[in-house]
Amino acid sequence: SQQGEEDPQALSIQEGENATMNCSYKTSINNLQWYRQNSGRGLVHLILIRSNEREKHSGRLRVTLDTSKKSSSLLITASRAADTASYFCATFTNAGKSTFGDGTTLTVKP
Amino acid sequence: DVKVTQSSRYLVKRTGEKVFLECVQDMDHENMFWYRQDPGLGLRLIYFSYDVKMKEKGDIPEGYSVSREKKERFSLILESASTNQTSMYLCASSFLGQAFFGQGTRLTVV
Repeated sequence: SQQGEEDPQALSIQEGENATMNCSYKTSINNLQWYRQNSGRGLVHLILIRSNEREKHSGRLRVTLDTSKKSSSLLITASRAADTASYFCATFTNAGKSTFGDGTTLTVKP
Repeated sequence: DVKVTQSSRYLVKRTGEKVFLECVQDMDHENMFWYRQDPGLGLRLIYFSYDVKMKEKGDIPEGYSVSREKKERFSLILESASTNQTSMYLCASSFLGQAFFGQGTRLTVV
């Protein structure tokens, strides 16, 4: 079964608003990563958070990790139309095995 | 710049054909992965490799095999292509938990 599960499956917001996406997983992890995919394009790595970290920032991105709840969230602040894409979380175990969720499709309306 | 290159962007093959999907990375990474991406199913891990001549089954290895004769090259083989293997195939390499993806190969089996 899929390890990472994103929530919601689809999100539509206005430009300037914040977008929050959540990810839940089931087993112990070494780290969790968020990726972005534009339609028809490859995946782009956004941010990695290790199991001993609770929060990480990169530009307008903020990622949190709660290992007790086995969940992570990705916050995009002050969204732009160019942020429209699918966002995936991926978990990596100590053995190097990775599992991706189905993704959240974000639409930012200008 | 980091680079993962998949040999074909688009491929059309007939049912029963043996299909080779090639992936090359120039980062001297130990770990390489093959995924398939299908609508509603997200990314699913087919096979991965931690070293030359090493391979390990992922979540959906049936109908596939892999070859890792050289560190930089990880090949995915469809022994006898079937229509249910029509999909987007993504190759990735990773180091210290950070993965880099190729642009993907969209395979259609007719």
